[in-house]
Amino acid sequence: NAGVTQTPKFQVLKTGQSMTLQCAQDMNHEYMSWYRQDPGMGLRLIHYSVGAGITDQGEVPNGYNVSRSTTEDFPLRLLSAAPSQTSVYFCASSQDRPSNQPQHFGDGTRLSIL
Amino acid sequence: KQEVTQIPAALSVPEGENLVLNCSFTDSAIYNLQWFRQDPGKGLTSLLLIQSSQREQTSGRLNASLDKSSGRSTLYIAASQPGDSATYLCAIYSGTYKYIFGTGTRLKVLA
Repeated sequence: NAGVTQTPKFQVLKTGQSMTLQCAQDMNHEYMSWYRQDPGMGLRLIHYSVGAGITDQGEVPNGYNVSRSTTEDFPLRLLSAAPSQTSVYFCASSQDRPSNQPQHFGDGTRLSIL
Repeated sequence: KQEVTQIPAALSVPEGENLVLNCSFTDSAIYNLQWFRQDPGKGLTSLLLIQSSQREQTSGRLNASLDKSSGRSTLYIAASQPGDSATYLCAIYSGTYKYIFGTGTRLKVLA
C-alpha cells in the first residue's frame, strides 16, 4: 500500500529559486494538508484542502501556493525560496475532516535553502 | 489560543519498564486528540485517536487517556521495548481543519 507519497525526499535550493513539492495519495481521501516541521516548534499547518478545487490557508501560508486539481494530488509550490523556508515538509491526508478520522502522513521532504 | 506542551522533551528507560508520556493543552474545547510516533527521518504514524467524548483508547501495549477538564492526556506504554524508541507527538484538533502539535517526547528504550 503506497499511502501518502512525497517527492523529492531531499532538495537543496538557492535563495530566490522556485520549486514544487509533490504529494500524492491513493486512498481517495478528501482532506489533504501540508505542514512544516522545525526544531523546537512542532508541526505547523501551511495550507489545506477539503476536496478537489478547494484550498485554504493554514497557520503559516506566506511564500507558498497550493492547488488541488485532482483528489489524489496536492502539490506545494515555493514561489521564491528564502533561507527561512529551510525545513522538513510533510503532507498528510484523511478520509474525512480531521475531527472524525486519523491523519496519514508521508515520509517528508527535507528542504535546504542556501 | 490553543497551546500543546509535552514534558519531558527526552526520556531514557531500561527495556521492560512501563512508562507514561504526558501531553497538556490549554483549551478544553477540543474535537479529538491524536498520538503519533515519528521515527528518525520518517513521517508520522498515527497510534491512537481519542474523540472528545471518550476517556481512553487502547491498542496493544499502548493506552491513551484524555481528561479535558484538566487539559491532559497521557500515553501509557507497557513493557517497553527497544523498538519503541522514537519521538512521540500529541496533536489537538479544535476545529478549522487544523491540528495543533506538541513538540514531542524523544524516547529511548535501552536494551
